Amino acid sequence: AQSVTQLDSHVSVSEGTPVLLRCNYSSSYSPSLFWYVQHPNKGLQLLLKYTSAATLVKGINGFEAEFKKSETSFHLTKPSAHMSDAAEYFCVVADRGSTLGRLYFGRGTQLTVWP
Amino acid sequence: DTEVTQTPKHLVMGMTNKKSLKCEQHMGHRAMYWYKQKAKKPPELMFVYSYEKLSINESVPSRFSPECPNSSLLNLHLHALQPEDSALYLCASSQERRGSSYNEQFFGPGTRLTVL
Repeated sequence: AQSVTQLDSHVSVSEGTPVLLRCNYSSSYSPSLFWYVQHPNKGLQLLLKYTSAATLVKGINGFEAEFKKSETSFHLTKPSAHMSDAAEYFCVVADRGSTLGRLYFGRGTQLTVWP
Repeated sequence: DTEVTQTPKHLVMGMTNKKSLKCEQHMGHRAMYWYKQKAKKPPELMFVYSYEKLSINESVPSRFSPECPNSSLLNLHLHALQPEDSALYLCASSQERRGSSYNEQFFGPGTRLTVL
C-alpha cells in the first residue's frame, strides 16, 4: 500500500532563509514521487518528480528534493525563500504498478514566508 | 499546449439546480480525472477516465455524474447537490502508459462550487 506523511502541517521562514519541507512515504513498489504546489484558489502545479533516475531532483523555482530509499524520505528544499513561495505544498506518491494514475497525497504543508 | 482548462471558475447553485463543470486538455492525454478538494485538505479522487471509459469511481454519490464525450473533454454533471458538496473541483489529465514508471498529472485551475 502507498501512503505519504508530511511531518509538518505548517512551516514559517523569513525571506532569504532556507526552506525544508519534510515528507516520508510508504510504498509496496518502487515509488514515483512528486511535489506539487498550490497557491490560494488555484490548481496544483508540479514542482518536481522522482522516477528512479537521479536521486537528487531539481525542479522549478529553485526547489529540489532528494530521494533517500533507506530513510523512505523525499524532503523538499530551497536555499533561499521568496515571498512568492508562500503556498500549500503536497508530497505525492504514485503507484508505479498502476496504469490508472492513482496518486496518494500527503496532508499538505502550508509555507508562510515573512518579509 | 500544456494546459488543462476548466469552466466555469466559480459556480453558485441551489440544491434543486442542475449544472455542469467542464474540463478540456489538448496534450493528447488519455487519462482524465475529477478531484474534490475541501479547504485545507488534499484533493480527493472522485473519478478516473481511461480512453474515454470510466475506470475508477470512488463511491461518489449519484448526484455527481461524469461524462467523457471525447479524449479532450471531461464533464461533471451536478444535480440535487447538498451544501456539504461545496468545494474546489479539480480536473487533471495524464498520459496513460502501460507499465509506466510514473503517472504525472497536470491539473486545471479548478471550479469553486458553492451550494446554497
